[in-house]
Amino acid sequence: DAKTTQPNSMESNEEEPVHLPCNHSTISGTDYIHWYRQLPSQGPEYVIHGLTSNVNNRMASLAIAEDRKSSTLILHRATLRDAAVYYCILRPLIQGAQKLVFGQGTRLTINP
Amino acid sequence: DTGVSQDPRHKITKRGQNVTFRCDPISEHNRLYWYRQTLGQGPEFLTYFQNEAQLEKSRLLSDRFSAERPKGSFSTLEIQRTEQGDSAMYLCASSLATGGVGNEQFFGPGTRLTVL
Repeated sequence: DAKTTQPNSMESNEEEPVHLPCNHSTISGTDYIHWYRQLPSQGPEYVIHGLTSNVNNRMASLAIAEDRKSSTLILHRATLRDAAVYYCILRPLIQGAQKLVFGQGTRLTINP
Repeated sequence: DTGVSQDPRHKITKRGQNVTFRCDPISEHNRLYWYRQTLGQGPEFLTYFQNEAQLEKSRLLSDRFSAERPKGSFSTLEIQRTEQGDSAMYLCASSLATGGVGNEQFFGPGTRLTVL
């Protein structure tokens, strides 16, 4: 399984943008980049995913480097409810590759 | 409620006892997954089903662990002869098999197992 590297923790202030980095230098051409987050005492929840182009949804934006060896999850205006562990995950586009392989993620703290 | 549900939410047992957990996926989802999460770590994949067929099992799933999804709806995860190292959060997730890798997995709240 292709590996991702994320900072153990980050801190930001409420109502400010947050940029969560992820390195995936061994990514293959058919690996999708997924982000999930896990709020305290809850199961993980899907945030966003992409392949090559930048992606936006109601929760966040995903910026993917041109060489695809890194990506950044962007929370445009953090709230206290965004405090969570954020996981960057590579999912290969091959038959049967259904599981999610989680690393340790980045623990995001939001200061009021 | 249309989310993934798990029962029980907490289970305390003594070493050597058997335990069984239940997961009810989102009703139209045909894929169901089990993960285990220990403190401070990300979830680790255990096994997954498409309908009633168990299609992949992790090496983490020792012969003391067995999972079933008899009618392609709810699933059970049984741990026999529990050990203290089995103490963890057991998470269930479900998804639709519509092809492609973008199918998000929806997770339940988990069952926290403590083995004394």
